[in-house]
Amino acid sequence: RKEVEQDPGPFNVPEGATVAFNCTYSNSASQSFFWYRQDCRKEPKLLMSVYSSGNEDGRFTAQLNRASQYISLLIRDSKLSDSATYLCVDYNFNKFYFGSGTKLNVKP
Amino acid sequence: GAGVSQSPSNKVTEKGKDVELRCDPISGHTALYWYRQSLGQGLEFLIYFQGNSAPDKSGLPSDRFSAERTGGSVSTLTIQRTQQEDSAVYLCASSLSTGGGLETQYFGPGTRLLVL
Repeated sequence: RKEVEQDPGPFNVPEGATVAFNCTYSNSASQSFFWYRQDCRKEPKLLMSVYSSGNEDGRFTAQLNRASQYISLLIRDSKLSDSATYLCVDYNFNKFYFGSGTKLNVKP
Repeated sequence: GAGVSQSPSNKVTEKGKDVELRCDPISGHTALYWYRQSLGQGLEFLIYFQGNSAPDKSGLPSDRFSAERTGGSVSTLTIQRTQQEDSAVYLCASSLSTGGGLETQYFGPGTRLLVL
């Protein structure tokens, strides 16, 4: 079983929509979690860190549910520029484990 | 300030040749990671360096792969006798590694390797 699992999508949503992605992780000892964004043919860039129960940054909200071992990312008022692949990452014992990513297409 | 840099940005080689990929981490970052990303796939961990400690090589797919980090800074990933399945983007990342799981990784732009 993979350390981190994500729905590959794609999620096709209109501008202004709210969209949510989930990610599950297998190691209950994982210390912290991250969402990275990766544009086509570019390197991953940190979007949000997820500590304790979660956090919010503008239109983006990340939540952590340790009991069920999943992390979610909610994007409100989607913009065309949000189109990208979103990578879920868990960190434990000095290693970062990346999911395969969820692709988001925001349409006009 | 300067981010993580990698060279070359693209490399085309023939099957059986050796290649060297270079990573310059952010100054002061003690942790350095190498990953591989095949087309449409997630990131595959290869190797991790932390300060002067022995590297974690658990992700290296075969003994054709090796990596060094000299002086706690620049790292070189070497692939010997390249095979077509080695074709991928090789990404390097560095972090401050302050402990406690709060590290943020910063990625370089990657080296796109194509083995013909």
